[in-house]
Amino acid sequence: GAVVSQHPSRVICKSGTSVKIECRSLDFQATTMFWYRQFPKKSLMLMATSNEGSKATYEQGVEKDKFLINHASLTLSTLTVTSAHPEDSSFYICSARGLTSGSVYEQYFGPGTRLTVT
Amino acid sequence: SQQGEEDPQALSIQEGENATMNCSYKTSINNLQWYRQNSGRGLVHLILIRSNEREKHSGRLRVTLDTSKKSSSLLITASRAADTASYFCATDLTGTASKLTFGTGTRLQVTL
Repeated sequence: GAVVSQHPSRVICKSGTSVKIECRSLDFQATTMFWYRQFPKKSLMLMATSNEGSKATYEQGVEKDKFLINHASLTLSTLTVTSAHPEDSSFYICSARGLTSGSVYEQYFGPGTRLTVT
Repeated sequence: SQQGEEDPQALSIQEGENATMNCSYKTSINNLQWYRQNSGRGLVHLILIRSNEREKHSGRLRVTLDTSKKSSSLLITASRAADTASYFCATDLTGTASKLTFGTGTRLQVTL
């Protein structure tokens, strides 16, 4: 099946710094990538949808200036958490949707990035 | 708010028993998908059922969909300890360009 990777898998940063998380589709071209946030023992909350070459569409309540998303190529999207605060600590998961050998309706999820802001 | 509400929130069974999880949603869907998540990991796609389908099987998994009741169920037969995980339903809502909206999840614990 299609593979999506995320890097880093874990990151600890100090309050006020910025952190970049990468999401890559390894064996297919992702026309659309999605970024989710998940709190402990909770469900996934969609943060934004990004289409290659265009600006991301953010869900209501998600600050676009704080969570910068770039989808510059068909295999890479990045999420930058700017001026991170402890409340930004969470599990961030990306998913990718594109032309694969499987069903066009499926999204393939990355393994997630655990962000801890101290 | 969550589109999908799942019940139970937590389920504990013994190996060999069947596990049933339910998911309800509120609006029209293109399809409904079930995912599995091991603690601290990403999601693994289990099965997709389209809005015009009523039942689907994949190995030990059986999914039903009742669009009149806006509900779906996931049945895992002959459960194993390795099935211990959280299970989420996700709805692909009509007119949302294939954005998935996730349910609240069921935490399944299978004991030996």
